[in-house]
Amino acid sequence: DTAVSQTPKYLVTQMGNDKSIKCEQNLGHDTMYWYKQDSKKFLKIMFSYNNKELIINETVPNRFSPKSPDKAHLNLHINSLELGDSAVYFCASRQGAGTEAFFGQGTRLTVV
Amino acid sequence: AQSVTQLDSQVPVFEEAPVELRCNYSSSVSVYLFWYVQYPNQGLQLLLKYLSGSTLVESINGFEAEFNKSQTSFHLRKPSVHISDTAEYFCAVRPSLRGGADGLTFGKGTHLIIQP
Repeated sequence: DTAVSQTPKYLVTQMGNDKSIKCEQNLGHDTMYWYKQDSKKFLKIMFSYNNKELIINETVPNRFSPKSPDKAHLNLHINSLELGDSAVYFCASRQGAGTEAFFGQGTRLTVV
Repeated sequence: AQSVTQLDSQVPVFEEAPVELRCNYSSSVSVYLFWYVQYPNQGLQLLLKYLSGSTLVESINGFEAEFNKSQTSFHLRKPSVHISDTAEYFCAVRPSLRGGADGLTFGKGTHLIIQP
């Protein structure tokens, strides 16, 4: 019954590898997001999708490529991973203007 | 563009004492305001939100926040805290007049530490 689910929850990988994080929401929302939380817990938006269309790309390196196969899914693919990519990545979704965003449990990515 | 300032990175409080977590924001457009809570190793949960209407909003677990437009503040308060309130608290804003898919702009968070 999880509203926004992400897989995997933990991801440890070596520098230079390519990895993907998956996100699915069963709330019927039109808008989905990826946020990055750094080691100091600061949260910053990376991408925003509305009805499978990219709306916001907040100066994220092009090694990060989001893909939305349908309204319920927004996956994040990362090429050539770097040490600085280590963070917790959160997926979120929202429906409508005056509503709050619902967050997934996060994916802790560690690049070694 | 919007910015959110949470002045206190860490607030230690004794159990059953009152607490206030401060949040100020800056924006050239009207915004919605939110407080989210993050318990250790978990995602963010909405605590409360201000969209319009009464400037005092309350959550089901005893927290309240008051929107002050002139001071551009949205401070979070609780009259008596419990050990289980230990968490990271994030204030966030989002433009209210534009439609579409605007995301949240977060403050840097305040770590609330409840001491027995």
